Formats: sequence, C-alpha cells, structure tokens
Amino acid sequence: GDQVEQSPSALSLHEGTGSALRCNFTTTMRAVQWFQQNSRGSLINLFYLASGTKENGRLKSTFNSKESYSTLHIRDAQLEDSGTYFCAAEQGTGSKLSFGKGAKLTVSP
Amino acid sequence: DTTVKQNPRYKLARVGKPVNLICSQTMNHDTMYWYQKKPNQAPKLLLFYYDKILNREADTFEKFQSSRPNNSFCSLYIGSAGLEYSAMYLCASSKGLGDAETLYFGSGTRLTVL
Repeated sequence: GDQVEQSPSALSLHEGTGSALRCNFTTTMRAVQWFQQNSRGSLINLFYLASGTKENGRLKSTFNSKESYSTLHIRDAQLEDSGTYFCAAEQGTGSKLSFGKGAKLTVSP
Repeated sequence: DTTVKQNPRYKLARVGKPVNLICSQTMNHDTMYWYQKKPNQAPKLLLFYYDKILNREADTFEKFQSSRPNNSFCSLYIGSAGLEYSAMYLCASSKGLGDAETLYFGSGTRLTVL
C-alpha cells in the first residue's frame, strides 16, 4: 500500500487567505521534503526537514516523525502559489523517496 | 550553482525508436536520479546512480538504461519507445546516498511518443 497519504487532493483559496496541506505516513520516516510543481511541470524544492519546523516567507512546514505526519502551511496566498504540491519522505534505508499523490492548489482573486 | 540541467526540454519520439535524455549538475553530487512523472500521478523513481553504481527499480529494470560517464553527467536511455513512455522525465541529484540531504530537481524533459 501507499506509504504516504497526502490530503487534501485539491484545495481552492482566495488571495490573502491561508490553509494547510498534510501528509500522513504509514511507516516511520526519517525525513520529508515538500515540492511545488510549477506550470511547466518542474518540481521545485520548498523544504527539507528531518524534524521540527522550517519557515520561508509565506510557507511553513512541520515534520513530526514520532506521530508520522508533516504539514505545509500557506498564508496570505497569492495567485502564483497555484500549482500542485507534493510531499516526499524517506525511510532512511537507501535514498528512495516515497511521494504523495499531490495536492492541487488553486488560488483565485 | 545549485541547478540541475536537463536537455532537451521537449522531445518527440516514434514508437519503436530509441530515446536518450541528458542531465548534468556541477554540484559534485554523488547521487543522480531519474524519475518519471505522469499527469495526476506521483513521480516514480526509475533508477539512480550512486557514484558509478547503477541501481534500477525492479519494475522498470528492463525498460530503462542509464550511463554516467563522469560525476556531472547522467543519461536515461530507452531502447525502444512505446506510447506508455510519454511522460515528464525528471532528473535529480543529492550530495550523498541516504544522507540527510535534499534533492535538487532539474526542469524536466517532456517526452511525447507518437
């Protein structure tokens, strides 16, 4: 089965509002990354966390290995934040990442 | 320079013909990866090189080949393209293998097989 369960699969926000994306893991993960897929299909690295919380501008991510989840918070959403967001986690044996199925974020005026 | 470069950006191929995709990085990373990304699906790891050692996923073992002539370059080779190979192919690199290091992705090559 899937080791990474990402939710929601789709999310709509108005400009200036915020929300959170979440990934639950069915097994203990060592680290998590969050990516944004842009309109051209490229994956842009947003965060890498082995634990705790990181913040960058309007984005903040938390990884709780013990409780097997990670979140990505977006505040003051802008139109350019629209895209699909993926989390990916590694168990620590080898370097294979398990990806979530993605969350499509649509920000509207 | 923390970029991973992929060429070409878009590629058209005919069914049954070979395809070769190129990736490069100048970060002196030990590990380089190839992922296949189809719409509405998570990226799928195809294979990765750790230094000169190639590791291919079991379910794609016979479909994809790769070479890494030096630390900076890595190619993905499809011997005989099928329609199901149409996808975005993403190259990535990381400093180590299984280390607490981030993955750096290239912009991708969008392959269309006709």
